[in-house]
Amino acid sequence: AQSVAQPEDQVNVAEGNPLTVKCTYSVSGNPYLFWYVQYPNRGLQFLLKYITGDNLVKGSYGFEAEFNKSQTSFHLKKPSALVSDSALYFCAVRDMVSSWQAGTALIFGKGTTLSVSS
Amino acid sequence: DAGVTQSPTHLIKTRGQQVTLRCSPKSGHDTVSWYQQALGQGPQFIFQYYEEEERQRGNFPDRFSGHQFPNYSSELNVNALLLGDSALYLCASSFDRGELFFGEGSRLTVL
Repeated sequence: AQSVAQPEDQVNVAEGNPLTVKCTYSVSGNPYLFWYVQYPNRGLQFLLKYITGDNLVKGSYGFEAEFNKSQTSFHLKKPSALVSDSALYFCAVRDMVSSWQAGTALIFGKGTTLSVSS
Repeated sequence: DAGVTQSPTHLIKTRGQQVTLRCSPKSGHDTVSWYQQALGQGPQFIFQYYEEEERQRGNFPDRFSGHQFPNYSSELNVNALLLGDSALYLCASSFDRGELFFGEGSRLTVL
């Protein structure tokens, strides 16, 4: 079965320090991977995606993610955290079995709450 | 340029009732997807509409149905509401294999 796991419910980091939010996946075939962020009482905002190509993907707001096929991971990273980065982060993978159009029918993880302290 | 808009933002229903949620996609988008986000969980795919037809469906019962109109807007209908249907319902739009753009959601409470 296809799935996404975010092993940490919460990540705490001090402002200015690097941050990592972990994600592992299980899919058949080559994965299409995504990160989204959700602020309180808001919808999800797209951060970045991996379809093919370089394993290091750069996205919005200074975030990047590293695709590791051997470890089936797609961890989200940022070199220097900001207090404004505090939010709920979701990793997602395209449903490769039934997806009709790339980028839709995503399977989401449970989310990781990032808390950045000043 | 307006993004994805959803209405209503909040609503309260009782068990057994029916509800209709509405979504207008981002300008230029022709595909609409609906997701259910229960408290403390990630969004779960309900179904997707393109060219006024349901193209894909997640693991949701037939009580969940939808529609897409010629102007690409969409409705999600849920019949015979259960307590477990309480959730944030998210609409997302896309175009030609692009990223999903999400609305801010409709929060449904079933009493």
